[in-house]
Amino acid sequence: NAGVMQNPRHLVRRRGQEARLRCSPMKGHSHVYWYRQLPEEGLKFMVYLQKENIIDESGMPKERFSAEFPKEGPSILRIQQVVRGDSAAYFCASSSSEVGANTEAFFGQGTRLTVV
Amino acid sequence: AQRVTQPEKLLSVFKGAPVELKCNYSYSGSPELFWYVQYSRQRLQLLLRHISRESIKGFTADLNKGETSFHLKKPFAQEEDSAMYYCALRSNYQLIWGAGTKLIIKP
Repeated sequence: NAGVMQNPRHLVRRRGQEARLRCSPMKGHSHVYWYRQLPEEGLKFMVYLQKENIIDESGMPKERFSAEFPKEGPSILRIQQVVRGDSAAYFCASSSSEVGANTEAFFGQGTRLTVV
Repeated sequence: AQRVTQPEKLLSVFKGAPVELKCNYSYSGSPELFWYVQYSRQRLQLLLRHISRESIKGFTADLNKGETSFHLKKPFAQEEDSAMYYCALRSNYQLIWGAGTKLIIKP
């Protein structure tokens, strides 16, 4: 099992472009979580998805950000019209069921987005 | 408010010296706390959780509800312990994270 795979590892976008970040969960995992880490800060929860459903997007900025986890294929975090403040590391995690006392989330290596 | 605080951005100790990485939390319910580690160029991985009360790679952490702390300790540091360490608190399915401490073990 290759673990949670995120690509690209590094992404450079000019202001106003779109950024698409991909996350393939571990085999057998149907729960995906996205976190964002701004410089010098801890990870902050963005969104929790199950296959084809957004369970909780309370941490997502209201505009320009969207996430999906289709029936087939990876989960996508999409940022439209990127601004310099979107520069951050974006981490994806997956779990076999909802994270809880007996269920661990496994993390990808992250995508480092730089907006120039 | 739910919060995790790691007061030290950087901690540098000599090989063989004791290590203590500090973590304090604020949480209204019964907390479930974790330590994650990220070695250079690798992914975040779970180091230990307080409910399992185990020692991993020589590290231990005890939950102190009175002091709302969950400090990570190791009696004798090794060079391979150099990494970023994050303390996290579970709130339902979300993890609330500290800003991390970079641990450098000097030879």
